[in-house]
Amino acid sequence: AQSVSQHNHHVILSEAASLELGCNYSYGGTVNLFWYVQYPGQHLQLLLKYFSGDPLVKGIKGFEAEFIKSKFSFNLRKPSVQWSDTAEYFCAVISSPSGNTPLVFGKGTRLSVIA
Amino acid sequence: GAGVSQSPSNKVTEKGKDVELRCDPISGHTALYWYRQSLGQGLEFLIYFQGNSAPDKSGLPSDRFSAERTGGSVSTLTIQRTQQEDSAVYLCASSLGRTDTQYFGPGTRLTVL
Repeated sequence: AQSVSQHNHHVILSEAASLELGCNYSYGGTVNLFWYVQYPGQHLQLLLKYFSGDPLVKGIKGFEAEFIKSKFSFNLRKPSVQWSDTAEYFCAVISSPSGNTPLVFGKGTRLSVIA
Repeated sequence: GAGVSQSPSNKVTEKGKDVELRCDPISGHTALYWYRQSLGQGLEFLIYFQGNSAPDKSGLPSDRFSAERTGGSVSTLTIQRTQQEDSAVYLCASSLGRTDTQYFGPGTRLTVL
C-alpha cells in the first residue's frame, strides 16, 4: 500500500529563515504529488502540485518543491519564511494515471514562524 | 463558483446517539472523499467515491461508520452509536477526477459528550 512520510512533526523557525519540509512516499509507479496547507482557522488548500514535466514546481506564496524520483521524495522549500507562513503542511501522493487507490496524505508538519 | 460545503459546521451529541454529516461537492466533480482530522493525527482517510464505482471503504474505522453518495453528488456520512473517540473534525473534499486537485470543505466539528 502507498504511504507518505513527513519526518518533521513540528518545525519552529525565525522569520527570514529558510524552510525545507521533508516528504517521502512509497510507490514504485507513476505518481501525482501535492502539498496542501492549512492556515489557522482556514480550509485545507492546495499549495502546489506535480503531475509531470519539470520536477521543480513553484506554488503560491514563494513555495517550491522538487520531485526526486530516485529518492521517492517531494520536499517543500521556501528561501525566507514569514510569520504568515505559520500553518500545517500536508504532503499527499496518488498513483497516476491508472489505479483505484485514493489520495494518501502524510501526517502533516506544523510550522511555527516566530518574529 | 461555489466550493465544497458541509453541514452542520458544529455538532455536539451525546454518546450513543447517531449523527449524519452532509457534504455538497463542487458541481461536476466525480470524486468525493471523507477524512477525519484529530489533533496530532493528521488527515485520516475514511471513504472515497469515484463516479459510479463501488466506494473504497477501506478507511472506515468500524462498522458504525457508513457513507453514501446519492445521484453522484451529495454525500452523507453516518456515525451510529457515537463514542467519545469519534470526536474530531470531519472533512469532505471533491475533485474532477481521481488524480486531480482536491478541494476541501470547511469541515464539521463533531463533539461527543
